[in-house]
This record gives sequence, C-alpha cells and structure tokens, in this order.
Amino acid sequence: QSALTQPASVSGSPGQSITISCTETSSDVGSYNLVSWYQHHPGKAPKLMIYEGIKRPSGVSNRFSGFKSGNTASLTISGLQAEDEADYHCSSYARSGALVFGGGTKLTVL
Amino acid sequence: EVQLVQSGTEVKKPGESLKISCKGSGYSFTSYWIGWVRQMPGKGLEWMGAIYPGDSDSRYSQSFQGQVTISADKSFSIAYLQWSSLKASDTAMYYCARSIYGSGSYGAFGIWGQGTMVTVSS
Repeated sequence: QSALTQPASVSGSPGQSITISCTETSSDVGSYNLVSWYQHHPGKAPKLMIYEGIKRPSGVSNRFSGFKSGNTASLTISGLQAEDEADYHCSSYARSGALVFGGGTKLTVL
Repeated sequence: EVQLVQSGTEVKKPGESLKISCKGSGYSFTSYWIGWVRQMPGKGLEWMGAIYPGDSDSRYSQSFQGQVTISADKSFSIAYLQWSSLKASDTAMYYCARSIYGSGSYGAFGIWGQGTMVTVSS
C-alpha cells in the first residue's frame, strides 16, 4: 500500500477544471514541498508536469498547476482538453530518502 | 537533444538472469541521477532505485533491495538494471529516468526512456 493516496479516477468535460489529490497516508512521507506530478499516456513514457509541488517544467502548459494544503498535494488541470486524458501519478520522498509514488489516477475527459 | 534510450523487449524464463540498459546522450551523463521505475501490468509506477553515475552512489527502495542491481558505466554513458534470477512476478515495463537536478537529488524525473518490457514466463 502506497504512502501516497490518490483517487482511482476522476472525470470532467472539455473546458472544465478538475483537481487530483495526493494525500499522505503515512508519517513516512517527508515533505510535500518536493511533490512531483507525472502525466502518463498508455504506451508512452511518463512526462513530468509539476515538481517541488508548484513548479512547471519548461514547455508544460500553464493549464496545469500544483498546490498543497496540510497533508495533501493537488494537481489542477484547467480548460480540460481531450489530450489531457491520461493517468496521473504523484511522487514524493519518504523519510528514509526513498521515492514513493501514489497509486495513480485515471483522468477521463467526457 | 537530451535523451535516454533503453534496450529492447525481453522474454525470459523463470530463474534466468537479465541485464537491461539505458543509454544517455545530449548531456553530461555523470552529473545527473538516473532512476529505475517499474510498472506492472495494470498497476501504478514504483520507484526501484537510482544511481549517480559520477561516483556510482546508488540507492534502493526497500522493496527492491537485494532483488535487483543498479549499475552504470560512465565510459559508455549507460545505466543498467539487472536480475540474477527472474521470477514471473518481474513481468513489467521498466523505465529509466533522469532527474532534473544535478548531484543533489534523484527525484523529479524530467527525462524518461521509452521503457523496456520484460516478460518472464515458463
């Protein structure tokens, strides 16, 4: 069982906004300031969308934003597009220094 | 162009050994951590471990410690993931990925390989 819990699925219509949560379920998780978010289309390599909780790598659309509150980090996608349909994974560090991933969230664009 | 290119699909039998590779190009291979990530069929991503090719410092997830070996040959800019005795439960897609940071951290993978599918079946 992952130390980071994500909803199994979320959905939204084109143009809407959705938020995916990533909640610490173990005191083993070290810091939400270091949360990363990845987009993963089936058959392709994952893509880094957010790092250090809120930063976007160069080339990532500003429709993607990250934030955290308490023991929960979140990824918001605004202006949903069909191409956003994918799996989304959060990751952070355990206190041991190991990296951990959440279970992943399947985003369906209706 | 910065890229990681992984070795091809593998089909092996239980008990066999295997070494898959990940070749980096377009950047200083010795200056960034490379991690390995497993995705079992229908499951999420799992971090297996990472290596800093500059000095071969390596870290492992507790789940994979002793089950796999991560190494690197900086002369050829290649990182490796190897098994001495495969199990059917090792069937998965394996990705290598490069951290966006330099020597300081192995998190936040900004560059990914295309993945290597490993199937272990008798």
